[in-house]
Amino acid sequence: DAGVIQSPRHEVTEMGQEVTLRCKPISGHNSLFWYRQTMMRGLELLIYFNNNVPIDDSGMPEDRFSAKMPNASFSTLKIQPSEPRDSAVYFCASSPRLSVYPYNEQFFGPGTRLTVL
Amino acid sequence: QQPVQSPQAVILREGEDAVINCSSSKALYSVHWYRQKHGEAPVFLMILLKGGEQKGHDKISASFNEKKQQSSLYLTASQLSYSGTYFCGTEGRPSYGKLTFGQGTILTVHP
Repeated sequence: DAGVIQSPRHEVTEMGQEVTLRCKPISGHNSLFWYRQTMMRGLELLIYFNNNVPIDDSGMPEDRFSAKMPNASFSTLKIQPSEPRDSAVYFCASSPRLSVYPYNEQFFGPGTRLTVL
Repeated sequence: QQPVQSPQAVILREGEDAVINCSSSKALYSVHWYRQKHGEAPVFLMILLKGGEQKGHDKISASFNEKKQQSSLYLTASQLSYSGTYFCGTEGRPSYGKLTFGQGTILTVHP
């Protein structure tokens, strides 16, 4: 099994540029989560989807951040315009809907390290 | 609200035991434990539900005391491979995975 796939693995951009992070969840998983990890704030949930529908986006820091999940096998997190304080590692995770909630282990992708100069 | 983990860091020699605590100011429905090695993604360890059950696999186990709103992770006879940062993630109510993670506990195991 391929696991959760994220691209790019590293991204360096300049302030003001648009950044798009991509995620392919594990096949058959129907929940998808976007996290941001920094030394100062730790691991924060930004948004999560269930069956491609955004369920809770209360963790999205600002309107500059947006996320989509057009189908079960693809999601994007976009930052426009980017700022230096957006520099972090962004993780995507997916989870199966098991027959017995709440055994919803989350499988994390390798992450995208974003640096905004 | 972010759960509080203690200690922030712990250093062990191989074969020693450790306990990592996770406390919340709110009522908890479930507690999830993950381990993250440097430069890698977090990896799932276990989930505990309210009810005080204890779970474990191999020499890592955990307990959940809903009255005290806390969970503890027990690492017995530590191995070098146990080194990493341990995170607890909490759910205040069933939310299909909406976790709030603690700040992490750095565990270092030396030979």
